[in-house]
This record gives sequence, C-alpha cells and structure tokens, in this order.
Amino acid sequence: DQQVKQNSPSLSVQEGRISILNCDYTNSMFDYFLWYKKYPAEGPTFLISISSIKDKNEDGRFTVFLNKSAKHLSLHIVPSQPGDSAVYFCAASARSSNTGKLIFGQGTTLQVKP
Amino acid sequence: DAGVIQSPRHEVTEMGQEVTLRCKPISGHNSLFWYRQTMMRGLELLIYFNNNVPIDDSGMPEDRFSAKMPNASFSTLKIQPSEPRDSAVYFCASSLFGGVEAEAFFGQGTRLTVV
Repeated sequence: DQQVKQNSPSLSVQEGRISILNCDYTNSMFDYFLWYKKYPAEGPTFLISISSIKDKNEDGRFTVFLNKSAKHLSLHIVPSQPGDSAVYFCAASARSSNTGKLIFGQGTTLQVKP
Repeated sequence: DAGVIQSPRHEVTEMGQEVTLRCKPISGHNSLFWYRQTMMRGLELLIYFNNNVPIDDSGMPEDRFSAKMPNASFSTLKIQPSEPRDSAVYFCASSLFGGVEAEAFFGQGTRLTVV
C-alpha cells in the first residue's frame, strides 16, 4: 500500500524553463510534507518542506504547493539548471499523531538539458 | 557534526551469509530510520526508532531482517540469511522529532550485493 505516490518516473526539461514534480498521498493524517533531492552514490538531502496549515512555501528557485483537498503536492523549480538533475523524492509525516515517521514516494528522475 | 555515518559503504556477500549494516546517527537526534531504496518502491521504510525504542517495524520484509538500537549513537540492521533479492542500497537517517522542523538527515548508504 503506497501511501505516497510519484506517478512520473522521469521528467526532462530545458535549462531555464520550469520543472514541475508531482506527488499524491492517500493518508489524510499526513500534516507535514518534504522534498528531498538525491544524486547518484549519495544519500538524499533535504530540499524544502511545507506544513498542512500552509498551501505554499518558497525558498529561492524552489516552491512547494499543497492542495489538501486533492491530497496533492508539487515542487516547482524556476529556472531549472543542469545541476538540478537528480532524483527527487517527496515524503510525508503525521506529526499530529505524535510520530516522526517519514513515508517516501518512489522518486522522479529530473533531467535538465543545457 | 559529521552527519549520519553508515558502514560499510559497499558489501558483497554470498547467499546465505549474515550481513550487518551499521549506522551512527547525528548526535542529539532522537529518531532513527532504516530505508531500502528500490526501483519499484523508491525509499521503502523498514523500521523506525524513537528514543532507541522500535516504534514501527511493519516495513521489515521478513524474519530474516532484524534491527537494534542499543544506545542513542548506534544502530544495526542485520540480514540472516541473506538472499540475492536483498541486493539494494540501504540508508539510515536520523531526525529530531519534536523539533521545529521534521526533516531527516541521511547517511550515504550501504550498497549491498548478494551473489
């Protein structure tokens, strides 16, 4: 039972354009969402997060949008750069239920072409 | 802090052998996770500890897998006996649950190959 789903295994965009990565979840108890970036042969690194009390959080070129009614979140990268090429994982947590457990999606491989 | 430290980085073993993966979390963190990365399921949570106590081990695939956290600075994931289908990259992560933000910090992973 995949509670966090990333339905697009891969995405390719041109440098300078917008990259949009999507994530869906099924558990309505999730109240905190995170995006991680992973380069080959390295561990995932935290990128940006959003609490369920917000619908948008921005950090430089990265913006995460949350649509609670649709149980959907997305990561926008503008403008995309070749160094953004990596695997992106979304993750969810139910902090209000007093657990720090993080559930991850399958990941989306982003390729930014120069 | 040096971050989450995992050892070994690579492990090649024969089917049927015991494998032990090790993890040192970030000092002061109270939560520890073991994940396995696969193409089909992405980062699959195997087990989650809070304050050294296993909270959720529902992701542990079989009885061949076991994990311990004898103290706040050390955890092991053991596979006995190992099988070729266990070949994957195993990650350990730690976080400070109850902190302002809940992000987990990952180690560099152990690439396990069972032949």
